[in-house]
Amino acid sequence: QQQVKQSPQSLIVQKGGISIINCAYENTAFDYFPWYQQFPGKGPALLIAIRPDVSEKKEGRFTISFNKSAKQFSLHIMDSQPGDSATYFCAASKGSARQLTFGSGTQLTVLP
Amino acid sequence: DAGVIQSPRHEVTEMGQEVTLRCKPISGHNSLFWYRQTMMRGLELLIYFNNNVPIDDSGMPEDRFSAKMPNASFSTLKIQPSEPRDSAVYFCASSPRTGASGTDTQYFGPGTRLTVL
Repeated sequence: QQQVKQSPQSLIVQKGGISIINCAYENTAFDYFPWYQQFPGKGPALLIAIRPDVSEKKEGRFTISFNKSAKQFSLHIMDSQPGDSATYFCAASKGSARQLTFGSGTQLTVLP
Repeated sequence: DAGVIQSPRHEVTEMGQEVTLRCKPISGHNSLFWYRQTMMRGLELLIYFNNNVPIDDSGMPEDRFSAKMPNASFSTLKIQPSEPRDSAVYFCASSPRTGASGTDTQYFGPGTRLTVL
């Protein structure tokens, strides 16, 4: 059962553009939503995370937008750079559980 | 800080052989997770430990897979016998437990790329 659906599967953006990746979840018990960034040959690394008591969180060029009623959240990368080219995963967990349920990933390519 | 250490980084074996993957979590972290990553199924949690005790192994695909954590600084994931469909990248991650919430960051190792011929 895929509890976190991620789109698009791949994304190509010009340098300086905005990259937007979307995720939707089914389980209303989820209350923690991190985004992970993975470069080829490396393990995923936490990029930014949000809890559902806020609708937006910004860290530098990265912003999470959260819509609790729609059960959707998205990652926005402003002023995208070639160095942002990586695979991005959304994830979710609930309560005191430590398990993360990951989305299927989005391969982002930022053209110079 | 060396981060999460995994060995070997690459493993090529033949079907039917036993495979052991190793992980050293970040010192002081008391939760450890094993994941498998494939193109078809993405990132899947196999098992996680808290204070060296297995908490949830519902993601372990079948009895051929087993995991142990004999102490706070070492864990193994064993596949016996291995099959071609086990080919994947296996990640270990560790996390500090700062409270009851599930929001602690998980720090991933570099992974072990397993190929079963």
